[in-house]
Formats: sequence, structure tokens, C-alpha cells
Amino acid sequence: EAQVTQNPRYLITVTGKKLTVTCSQNMNHEYMSWYRQDPGLGLRQIYYSMNVEVTDKGDVPEGYKVSRKEKRNFPLILESPSPNQTSLYFCASSLFGTGAYEQYFGPGTRLTVT
Amino acid sequence: DAKTTQPTSMDCAEGRAANLPCNHSTISGNEYVYWYRQIHSQGPQYIIHGLKNNETNEMASLIITEDRKSSTLILPHATLRDTAVYYCIVRSDFDTGANSKLTFGKGITLSVRP
Repeated sequence: EAQVTQNPRYLITVTGKKLTVTCSQNMNHEYMSWYRQDPGLGLRQIYYSMNVEVTDKGDVPEGYKVSRKEKRNFPLILESPSPNQTSLYFCASSLFGTGAYEQYFGPGTRLTVT
Repeated sequence: DAKTTQPTSMDCAEGRAANLPCNHSTISGNEYVYWYRQIHSQGPQYIIHGLKNNETNEMASLIITEDRKSSTLILPHATLRDTAVYYCIVRSDFDTGANSKLTFGKGITLSVRP
């Protein structure tokens, strides 16, 4: 089944403890992206990648890192999480590196930082 | 992305067609109309998109007016599982890189009643 998977789905952690949220897609998509969704603020893009080893900042990149060493994986790294990073996170992918056409989303990761 | 306007909410009876309107009066010639939906706290789901011709897939139909200033998403036989927030957006295939991010407005909340 064609899909975008994220792990973990739920995570409660403490301030400053490094964590990684994994994202993987099995559709051979070139473009991948991370969003966060907060009440009243809608979807905001954190980082995106147009292909392997090509990443760039979105609208809210502060406090996050990403890497794209393989086409299928696009992990989101929080080196020192803070409470303001408590949010619902979505990974998305799209066939072409430009991000054009439809994007397919993972199920989401609900992160709570205390 | 061109601005879109949607009603805040609507409801329909299970088994009946749900017709969700969207206005996009400032759409430009190379911009497509896309529809996504988000069932509560799940990942957004791509539904359908079109340029100027009507489109149909296994999920829905998209009717775009001749002047392209408005469109209607039709769910032919709504079920309880179709209860979600539906987002109409317009975007161009030339929206690449940082412009490839999806920006959802408030969308329309569809409630399907038994």
C-alpha cells in the first residue's frame, strides 16, 4: 500500500531531551516536507526537501533539523525540545521534486514537551 | 496562492450528495483547484484537483465553472466517515521550492448526520 508513515505517533518528553521523529514514504517521491499544526494557526511548513541531500527551510524552522540521506526517509530532529514545540506534526511527500501536484500526508505525530 | 472563500460549515444526510462550494475569483490561468480534507487530527488527505474541466475520481467529483471563479466538490453518497474539514486551495504547478508548501485556510466543516 502506498503510504507515508511516521513514528512515533504520540510522544511525551521533557525539555532539552533530544528526539527524532521518523518519516518514510514508499512511493519513490522526490519531494518531502514537514509541517506542524497548531490550533488557530493552521499548517505551517518547517522544512522541505526537493531530493536526496537537498533540504531547505520552511516558514518555522527554528529549533528543528532535518536530513535527507535516502529518498524514502526524511527524519525531523529536535535537538533540544522546548514546550513551544508541543504540536501535531505531519510529514508529506509529493512525486516531483518541485512539490507540484498533490501531496500525501502521514498520520501525524502528537508531541508534548513538558 | 490565490485566495479562496468557503462557507464555515454545512451538513448533509448520510447517503445524500454533499455539495461543497468554493469561490476563487482571483484565480489565474495556470492555477489548479485542489481539494483536501482532514478528519479530526488525522493527516490531511488529497481528494481531487482540476484546471478547468470537470474531474471525477473514486472519491469525488469536481465541477469548475466556465469562468473558473468558483467550484464545487461533490461527494455523491456521503457517509458518516466523510465528516471532516474540507479545504479548497488554488496553486500553480510553477509553485516550486518554498512556494510549494500547502497553505490551508479555515476550510468548511462538513457534518454528515445519520
